[in-house]
Amino acid sequence: DTEVTQTPKHLVMGMTNKKSLKCEQHMGHRAMYWYKQKAKKPPELMFVYSYEKLSINESVPSRFSPECPNSSLLNLHLHALQPEDSALYLCASSPSGTSGSYNEQFFGPGTRLTVL
Amino acid sequence: RKEVEQDPGPFNVPEGATVAFNCTYSNSASQSFFWYRQDCRKEPKLLMSVYSSGNEDGRFTAQLNRASQYISLLIRDSKLSDSATYLCVVNYEGYQKVTFGTGTKLQVIP
Repeated sequence: DTEVTQTPKHLVMGMTNKKSLKCEQHMGHRAMYWYKQKAKKPPELMFVYSYEKLSINESVPSRFSPECPNSSLLNLHLHALQPEDSALYLCASSPSGTSGSYNEQFFGPGTRLTVL
Repeated sequence: RKEVEQDPGPFNVPEGATVAFNCTYSNSASQSFFWYRQDCRKEPKLLMSVYSSGNEDGRFTAQLNRASQYISLLIRDSKLSDSATYLCVVNYEGYQKVTFGTGTKLQVIP
């Protein structure tokens, strides 16, 4: 199984809603990532989990809250978002979070989020 | 200066042509390098890793020049299905901090 899955595919939410994005991989990868991608722009790294611990937070606003319940799952909890947060949210995983390996990332199909 | 830069294109080339993209990076501590392709409204997909000695995969050849801090991708015998945006990716800080280039759009024309 070389797949990263994400749910939901599409999400529309109001600024007062609370929602969660989910990501799952069964490749035994030990690093998982959240990215945000706006139209015609490259993905921007948000968070990195390595061995189920948050290792990188790229100064993301606290209205985005990541969670890694186990080595296969990654969630992104959303609360009080703004319309400018509308984007494609991509999850990725890679074999290792440590140096000494060529750490290719594999991406899920993304969740297209619209904030009204 | 952006950390990872690419010519945004678009590169419009006829089928069968050879096309090359470059990507420059500013952080000399960068450790590993990749090329991804992204189709419209889809996720990035790994095309190939870029090794110091250069590597080839079918019609695709990747090169790394650490002294000049750039990586390149050469596509030979372009196919219509090669039309996509090509993103270079640079990893450093223990292979976790990842920076994507701005992407180069390729359109292969019949």
